[in-house]
Amino acid sequence: DAGVIQSPRHEVTEMGQEVTLRCKPISGHNSLFWYRQTMMRGLELLIYFNNNVPIDDSGMPEDRFSAKMPNASFSTLKIQPSEPRDSAVYFCASSYKGATTEAFFGQGTRLTVV
Amino acid sequence: AQRVTQPEKLLSVFKGAPVELKCNYSYSGSPELFWYVQYSRQRLQLLLRHISRESIKGFTADLNKGETSFHLKKPFAQEEDSAMYYCALRGGGNKLVFGAGTILRVKS
Repeated sequence: DAGVIQSPRHEVTEMGQEVTLRCKPISGHNSLFWYRQTMMRGLELLIYFNNNVPIDDSGMPEDRFSAKMPNASFSTLKIQPSEPRDSAVYFCASSYKGATTEAFFGQGTRLTVV
Repeated sequence: AQRVTQPEKLLSVFKGAPVELKCNYSYSGSPELFWYVQYSRQRLQLLLRHISRESIKGFTADLNKGETSFHLKKPFAQEEDSAMYYCALRGGGNKLVFGAGTILRVKS
């Protein structure tokens, strides 16, 4: 397994544009997490899914952010419209929902909104 | 609510000196705690978990429920330990939250 795969690795977009980040979790994992990493706030949990169902989206900053998981092997995080303050590294992670299991992270998408 | 606090943004020590990265948590249930590490240009990865009571790369961490702490320790720091360290707590429903992270810089 190639691990958690995120695309794109880098994204530069203009303010007001729609941005879609993609994630392919590890096969067999049934929990998927989206995080945002900034120097000021560290690693913030945006939303997570269990068995493709969103469980907690309280970390999603605004209505401009939305996430979907149409099936067990794919998830998207969308920002519409994007703003400069959304610039950050976005990580996807997956795990098996069970005792003591670890989460595996993707390499992240570095988003820059100009 | 689940919360993890790492009070230090940056910890700078000399090679061979002891290291302690602080982590405090807030959770009403029975917590599962982890330390993750992110080396330069690498993915975030698990370093250790409290339930295993293991030592990885010379690091240990003990869960202190009375002080709600899970500090990471190593008796003698090495240059290759320089990285970003995150403390994490998993609560009900498999929700995994992280602290703000601490950059460890080991100077030669």
